[in-house]
Amino acid sequence: GENVEQHPSTLSVQEGDSAVIKCTYSDSASNYFPWYKQELGKGPQLIIDIRSNVGEKKDQRIAVTLNKTAKHFSLHITETQPEDSAVYFCAASTNNAGNMLTFGGGTRLMVKP
Amino acid sequence: DAGVIQSPRHEVTEMGQEVTLRCKPISGHNSLFWYRQTMMRGLELLIYFNNNVPIDDSGMPEDRFSAKMPNASFSTLKIQPSEPRDSAVYFCASSFNSPGVGQYFGPGTRLTVT
Repeated sequence: GENVEQHPSTLSVQEGDSAVIKCTYSDSASNYFPWYKQELGKGPQLIIDIRSNVGEKKDQRIAVTLNKTAKHFSLHITETQPEDSAVYFCAASTNNAGNMLTFGGGTRLMVKP
Repeated sequence: DAGVIQSPRHEVTEMGQEVTLRCKPISGHNSLFWYRQTMMRGLELLIYFNNNVPIDDSGMPEDRFSAKMPNASFSTLKIQPSEPRDSAVYFCASSFNSPGVGQYFGPGTRLTVT
């Protein structure tokens, strides 16, 4: 089955700096890659996703890139703000799995003011 | 849209008691997922339903756990009898039954078994 590895497990940045979180996946048939943000005491919230027919997608300060050949994808947050502090999860799924997702282990991002 | 609704938000119970967690998915979504989150094991998929039918329950840890979805707008996860190692946050998520769509999570139920 699919395996998703996420790095780093913790990331501390200064406010205004950029943050990058990376994930690798094992199943070359994976074609949908969402990212979730989980704030303390809340459920994971879908913040951006990318499908295998595109290499990059942006939404204001966040962007995702996908390298299907290398089987890795990344989340980029620019001009970080204290409210970006949360745990971020990547995930992957394949058409064969319907809408089941395999999640990475999570990255705790801390943005220092 | 109210989003996915879960109840209760917090549950404290004694070992051996029955616990029932409830979920109302987003209206129109026809897939529903139950997850468990702990520090040690991260986010684990327990079971998921498509059109009210259980599709994959391989993540259910043991027979003490059961889940039902009697209709499109309601699901329950039951633990009987509960044990301290069941303490975790339980999330329900819903989505459309289609590849390449995101799941939308509820706020979770924090379960503590003493």
